[in-house]
Amino acid sequence: QQPVQSPQAVILREGEDAVINCSSSKALYSVHWYRQKHGEAPVFLMILLKGGEQKGHEKISASFNEKKQQSSLYLTASQLSYSGTYFCGTRIRSSNTGKLIFGQGTTLQVKP
Amino acid sequence: NAGVTQTPKFQVLKTGQSMTLQCAQDMNHEYMSWYRQDPGMGLRLIHYSVGAGITDQGEVPNGYNVSRSTTEDFPLRLLSAAPSQTSVYFCASSPQDQGFYGYTFGSGTRLTVV
Repeated sequence: QQPVQSPQAVILREGEDAVINCSSSKALYSVHWYRQKHGEAPVFLMILLKGGEQKGHEKISASFNEKKQQSSLYLTASQLSYSGTYFCGTRIRSSNTGKLIFGQGTTLQVKP
Repeated sequence: NAGVTQTPKFQVLKTGQSMTLQCAQDMNHEYMSWYRQDPGMGLRLIHYSVGAGITDQGEVPNGYNVSRSTTEDFPLRLLSAAPSQTSVYFCASSPQDQGFYGYTFGSGTRLTVV
């Protein structure tokens, strides 16, 4: 039931772009994205509900393909502050909507 | 407005001891959850609640109990601590899902069982 994230780790130079993927074997109700800095708590970035919906947060955006049960997080023109671990969280259609299951995380390192 | 408050921040237990991790939120959120975080394992759901008096099991509930007598508080009880329960524990809360709200996390409790 745990969603699968790829890649597990990414190393970028400032200004480069990155894509993080999240896929589930279950029909999804929604997908959340969070970022966690080392030693800190995860912080909510955005939530996606409908098939094909895309949202943005600064230069970070995401899409949700409801048919494929996949979501992708796009980081454009990365900054040093984007470094951290990114988690997707999924709610499946048949479950209580209070149950949010996270992927294993993708570690992003942005170098000068 | 304190958000989600977890206590203690650090704790060392001996194998077999019991303890309660406290979680309180002052945002009147209906949804609350407990996660544990281990290296390479991401955030794993232990128990969750959709309102006062309603709790359910997550992915890794064994060895843990919860109760939700008020909207504000959601304590996590370790019944008989084991070294495998050494982890960082996060409590999180959210308004009832309208499709627009994410979870707010507490700062975490780092637990070591020796």
